Order: sequence, then C-alpha cells, then structure tokens
Amino acid sequence: LAKTTQPISMDSYEGQEVNITCSHNNIATNDYITWYQQFPSQGPRFIIQGYKTKVTNEVASLFIPADRKSSTLSLPRVSLSDTAVYYCLVQSGGSYIPTFGRGTSLIVHP
Amino acid sequence: DAGVIQSPRHEVTEMGQEVTLRCKPISGHNSLFWYRQTMMRGLELLIYFNNNVPIDDSGMPEDRFSAKMPNASFSTLKIQPSEPRDSAVYFCASSLSNSYNEQFFGPGTRLTVL
Repeated sequence: LAKTTQPISMDSYEGQEVNITCSHNNIATNDYITWYQQFPSQGPRFIIQGYKTKVTNEVASLFIPADRKSSTLSLPRVSLSDTAVYYCLVQSGGSYIPTFGRGTSLIVHP
Repeated sequence: DAGVIQSPRHEVTEMGQEVTLRCKPISGHNSLFWYRQTMMRGLELLIYFNNNVPIDDSGMPEDRFSAKMPNASFSTLKIQPSEPRDSAVYFCASSLSNSYNEQFFGPGTRLTVL
C-alpha cells in the first residue's frame, strides 16, 4: 500500500484559497487518490477522488501531476466552517484497507 | 436513508467492565469497517467485513477486542475487559464492496474507561 505524507496542520484566513499537498511516492498504477474531511465530533466524509490531472466538484478541486507522486487538494475561498481535519488516502485496486492516519488539521481564522 | 447508525453515542464505564458498541450500516452496503480514533494515533482501522465475513482483523489491538457481524444490517464491537487506554472515539463505516468506493461514517461512539 502506498504511504501518504501530509502536513500535520495549516492555518488560513477567511476568503483565502487553501492548498493541502499530499505525497504518495510509491503510488501504484491502479491506485486512486481520495480525500476525506472530518469536522469536530463527526466521522470523516468523502470530499473528492481522482486518478490524474484535475477533478473539480462543488466542494474542492484535486490536482494530480503526471507522475502522480503527489496530489493537492484546493479549497477556494475558505470560511470558518472549513475548519476540519483533511485526510489523503491512496486506495488500491483489490485492497480493502484504507489508511487514514492523522490527516492535516486546517484552522480557518476570521 | 438515515445513514450509518451507531449506539451508544457516549459510554462511560469502569476498568474491567465489558463494553459493546453497535452499528447499523447503510442498507445495501456490503462492506463494514470499525475504526478507533485517538489524538495520539489518529484514525486506525480495527477490522473490516465484506458480506458479513471478517476479511482483515490485523488492526484489532489484542484479544480483549472482538467484532461480529451476524447479518448484513448489524455489527458489534466488544471490549472485554475494558482498560483506560481503550478510551477513544470508535467509528463504524460502510461502503459498497469495491475498494475505490467512498465510505460512509457513523457519528461515532465516545468511550471513556475510568
């Protein structure tokens, strides 16, 4: 399974764009990159998933370079309610063991 | 759909007591996961089931922990005897049986062992 590395914490301010980068140097051909968001006192929830290039939905964008050894979750114009822990996962084809780890704790300040 | 349901939401018990956590997955989902979350270790996978069968329990800390899934709509995680170091938030999640599919998490059970 590909191991992921992401910053432990980040700080931002309301209205700014936030980019959280995750490293997954040994990602395999069949692996997908998935991001989850966890608010305090709640379980994680799926945000976005991608294989390569760029994926965008109503919550975030996911940028994956050609070598796929890293990915960047982009949150446009964050608000206080985006304060949460963000997890980067590499999901392997045929494997049912996702690893969440400690994620990145994002704090958005007024 | 009500989502993944867990009970109880909070549990306070004394060391040595048996604790049973319950989970009802989303109807139609055939994979179920139990996680434990602490500040020190983050979110750890304890065990997961596929079609009611335990597939991987390598994350279960020790013999004091056991999990069952008697049918597609119910699972339990039991700790016997409980210890203070078991204090954590325990999450249950379910998904369709495909390794790429998103997991839907329940609200969690906050366990405190005194």
